[in-house]
Amino acid sequence: DGGITQSPKYLFRKEGQNVTLSCEQNLNHDAMYWYRQDPGQGLRLIYYSQIVNDFQKGDIAEGYSVSREKKESFPLTVTSAQKNPTAFYLCASSISSGRAGEQYFGPGTRLTVT
Amino acid sequence: LAKTTQPISMDSYEGQEVNITCSHNNIATNDYITWYQQFPSQGPRFIIQGYKTKVTNEVASLFIPADRKSSTLSLPRVSLSDTAVYYCLVGDLPMDTGRRALTFGSGTRLQVQP
Repeated sequence: DGGITQSPKYLFRKEGQNVTLSCEQNLNHDAMYWYRQDPGQGLRLIYYSQIVNDFQKGDIAEGYSVSREKKESFPLTVTSAQKNPTAFYLCASSISSGRAGEQYFGPGTRLTVT
Repeated sequence: LAKTTQPISMDSYEGQEVNITCSHNNIATNDYITWYQQFPSQGPRFIIQGYKTKVTNEVASLFIPADRKSSTLSLPRVSLSDTAVYYCLVGDLPMDTGRRALTFGSGTRLQVQP
């Protein structure tokens, strides 16, 4: 089955710790994205990558970092510099950045930092 | 940055047609309009995408007037399982290093009653 997987589904961390969220896709898509969603809110773009070894900041990149060493993988690190990291994190991919409107989303990771 | 405005919520009954309108006054020439459906604690699911006039697929229709400053998602004969949040997405990603975020609206919470 083709799709996007995110792990884990739930993640708990203590304040001050960095945490890395996994995102893998087997759709052979070039572009990948990370979003953050707060309760009752829409999605906000954190980072996106149009191609391997390249990525750009979205609207709320501060306190986050990413890497794109493989086409299939786009992990997101939530650093201790992120002031309010508790949120629902969604990874997505599209065939190319030119088709950014048609994205396929993973099931999400709910991060709780206390 | 194309900001979108949608009604916060809508109510309907099973079997009725539902029309959700999204306003996007600052839409750019290259922007496509995309609609997504999201159930609680899940990633959004692509519904339909269009550029102008009318687009129809097996689940919905999208109407876009000539000035493209708004769009209407039409769901024919809704069922209880259509209860979800619907997002209007306008924008695209640049091919250069300029940062321009995709804009998800605040979403419309559709409640379908028996």
